[in-house]
Amino acid sequence: DIQMTQSPSTLSASVGDRVTITCRASQSISSWLAWYQQKPGKAPKLLIYKASSLESGVPSRFSGSGSGTEFTLTISSLQPDDFATYYCQHYNSYSGTFGQGTKVEIK
Amino acid sequence: EVQLVESGGGLVQPGGSLRLSCAASGFIFSSYSMNWVRQAPGKGLEWVSYISGGSSTMYYADSVKGRFTISRDNAKNSLFLQMNNLRDEDTAVYYCARRETSDWYWLSWGPGTLVTVSS
Repeated sequence: DIQMTQSPSTLSASVGDRVTITCRASQSISSWLAWYQQKPGKAPKLLIYKASSLESGVPSRFSGSGSGTEFTLTISSLQPDDFATYYCQHYNSYSGTFGQGTKVEIK
Repeated sequence: EVQLVESGGGLVQPGGSLRLSCAASGFIFSSYSMNWVRQAPGKGLEWVSYISGGSSTMYYADSVKGRFTISRDNAKNSLFLQMNNLRDEDTAVYYCARRETSDWYWLSWGPGTLVTVSS
């Protein structure tokens, strides 16, 4: 089974900071990767799919890159609404494997 | 507008059973594959099960194989998860999520329903 590993587990940052979260796959997954944002008590919200495609309505400060085994989610200028937990997910035609999550906290 | 709403969660004793439902609206339900995902309190997301649009294909995570059964009723726009022989570690919020037909990502999620397994 493919394992997804995110780093860091927790990230402390200030409003306006550039933030980067990394996700590594245990084997090549091409570009079958999504990024989600989750706030407490809420369902995950899709931000990025196919590694770098921005979902409609998601602010352009979010971007995704990578292919194969290494991927990044970048928030170019952190906003107050962005403090949340972020998950990467490898998806295929019949399942999905999530990373363990990265909590972005206020510094 | 696409809407998914889970129901059926609650408190159940270890070894017990529960049936979750996910009511879908705003789209042609039979055209989409669906998934169940769960999240234990304070933990990350875990895929649980998948079913194709016509119910011809189902898959399960190893952690629930043989205990959980996914099904759907396209006439009633509903997805189900029958959970038997429940364990403490099945305690979680359970979400249903729609798989997009192109590119396979999961855009739409329900708000979730909480299942608590405890004596």
